Amino acid sequence: DAGVIQSPRHEVTEMGQEVTLRCKPISGHNSLFWYRQTMMRGLELLIYFNNNVPIDDSGMPEDRFSAKMPNASFSTLKIQPSEPRDSAVYFCASSARGGMNTEAFFGQGTRLTVV
Amino acid sequence: GQQLNQSPQSMFIQEGEDVSMNCTSSSIFNTWLWYKQDPGEGPVLLIALYKAGELTSNGRLTAQFGITRKDSFLNISASIPSDVGIYFCAGYAGGTSYGKLTFGQGTILTVHP
Repeated sequence: DAGVIQSPRHEVTEMGQEVTLRCKPISGHNSLFWYRQTMMRGLELLIYFNNNVPIDDSGMPEDRFSAKMPNASFSTLKIQPSEPRDSAVYFCASSARGGMNTEAFFGQGTRLTVV
Repeated sequence: GQQLNQSPQSMFIQEGEDVSMNCTSSSIFNTWLWYKQDPGEGPVLLIALYKAGELTSNGRLTAQFGITRKDSFLNISASIPSDVGIYFCAGYAGGTSYGKLTFGQGTILTVHP
């Protein structure tokens, strides 16, 4: 398996623009997590899905952030409108059904810079 | 909510030295995980622990799941330059959290050749 695939790897955008980050989880995994990483706040869980259903979005910072998982193999995180304080590395992770479903596997991340 | 306290925040060591870092929590966890993050990459799972008291090794890495289920440590023996990175502990509380992990703040490891 290719692992969790995120795109793009890097994104530079102007303040006010819409940004969409994409994630393809590992095939067969049924939980998907979106994290944000900054120097100041470390790894923050934004939202997670189980069987494509959002379970907890309490970590989403504002209404400008939204996430969808239309099917088991694809998820998006959208920021509209983007602001400079959204600059961070965004990670997607997935984990499997069953007894070992606590082992989350991370993508390589999307480094977002909002200028 | 649940929090993990990871220490130390950073370590500067000489190549060949052993390293020890730990995580503590006020809550019980059913699973402890240790991840390593290289610069520009996502965290990679190093070791998973599933039972209180469990001691598990992966090469030069050894990790233990504390008896109280509220702590875990990671040891790295005979460090080498490629051990540089950020190490994270993570805990899983179980129940209906669908695999949601709580992460420590990370330990930044620097190894001088």
